[in-house]
Amino acid sequence: DAGITQSPRHKVTETGTPVTLRCHQTENHRYMYWYRQDPGHGLRLIHYSYGVKDTDKGEVSDGYSVSRSKTEDFLLTLESATSSQTSVYFCAISESGQGAEAFFGQGTRLTVV
Amino acid sequence: GIQVEQSPPDLILQEGANSTLRCNFSDSVNNLQWFHQNPWGQLINLFYIPSGTKQNGRLSATTVATERYSLLYISSSQTTDSGVYFCAAGESPETSGSRLTFGEGTQLTVNP
Repeated sequence: DAGITQSPRHKVTETGTPVTLRCHQTENHRYMYWYRQDPGHGLRLIHYSYGVKDTDKGEVSDGYSVSRSKTEDFLLTLESATSSQTSVYFCAISESGQGAEAFFGQGTRLTVV
Repeated sequence: GIQVEQSPPDLILQEGANSTLRCNFSDSVNNLQWFHQNPWGQLINLFYIPSGTKQNGRLSATTVATERYSLLYISSSQTTDSGVYFCAAGESPETSGSRLTFGEGTQLTVNP
């Protein structure tokens, strides 16, 4: 299994509070990604990183920010959580560009009440 | 961006049956992956197959890139094959890595 650890695995938070999810990898891969999965849907890309301090937006980035200060850590922050951000969040990594295989963490279930 | 469509959306089989899942994508890609999401929500990599054919035990996959589709074959299905099967595709230039667009999945139920 790819060495990807997401924390926390489960979180319940109140509307309007800030939340940070962490993804930690031990593979030294250059690329890291955050996706969300909602019932009845596949995964959708939120943000991704192509190196330390290099990040960009994905398909559903509104309301989210990210940071990557070290190769191994990629943080996803919800500045002010809303109920529409209740979802399962997956982190993924890949070694290189040009379509390298991506591997996923076990997911974080976030509930905003 | 790339559009990914999977069919059928739902599939119910008896144990031992064979099945074929289809994935159509709208543009040329250099990354095509199949995943199995188990009942615990974990995404398991099945195949990385931007083109060609691969086999792994009872599972095999074929991608015809020029015609923009991929097929996942499951033979002699078992109850443990139940779950959601996702196809994901990406065009993935060097600057952005393996950004994947997922289909909505095929929910497979294998009954004993």
